[in-house]
Amino acid sequence: DVKVTQSSRYLVKRTGEKVFLECVQDMDHENMFWYRQDPGLGLRLIYFSYDVKMKEKGDIPEGYSVSREKKERFSLILESASTNQTSMYLCALSANSNQPQHFGDGTRLSIL
Amino acid sequence: DQQVKQNSPSLSVQEGRISILNCDYTNSMFDYFLWYKKYPAEGPTFLISISSIKDKNEDGRFTVFLNKSAKHLSLHIVPSQPGDSAVYFCAAVDNAGNNRKLIWGLGTSLAVNP
Repeated sequence: DVKVTQSSRYLVKRTGEKVFLECVQDMDHENMFWYRQDPGLGLRLIYFSYDVKMKEKGDIPEGYSVSREKKERFSLILESASTNQTSMYLCALSANSNQPQHFGDGTRLSIL
Repeated sequence: DQQVKQNSPSLSVQEGRISILNCDYTNSMFDYFLWYKKYPAEGPTFLISISSIKDKNEDGRFTVFLNKSAKHLSLHIVPSQPGDSAVYFCAAVDNAGNNRKLIWGLGTSLAVNP
């Protein structure tokens, strides 16, 4: 089974804080993704990476950055958290672009 | 503009009956389609997929049908069970450019009543 581990299930931070969300895999998959899910808006792609030190902007990258220093870890960074970044954050990975993405359980992030 | 549309936000079905979830897309370049199921407070789980070279794919109680001319696909669940109650997302692979991204619908919430 594919295992995607997100560091926290629930997180509460304050406006202006720098927030790190971590995602770790044990499958040696190339592609990793960060999404956010909001009611009525479905899943929206923030950033993705198809190799170490490579990153590509998704549909809503503003206010976020990512880091992929090692193949197994893909970090999402909120540079200065704002209340409109309160959301469910989902990490996913796939072996290649022709394979389904597998998701972690998500991090419910609240920015106060 | 939504390229993948799930026009029914919710669906309610009786246990044992068929559930049919629909999905329409606008981009004829999409060549691979997937269905995911999502329970509250969990990540989406891959359910079933279909390539554009096929018109049907079946896996147990789940069957996906693809009608390319109508740009329409549907997921059939037979028989429906209470444990199938979840949000179902349709997604399509956009093969334009070098990176094949998933384009997601907004989801349909299925309730299977005992």
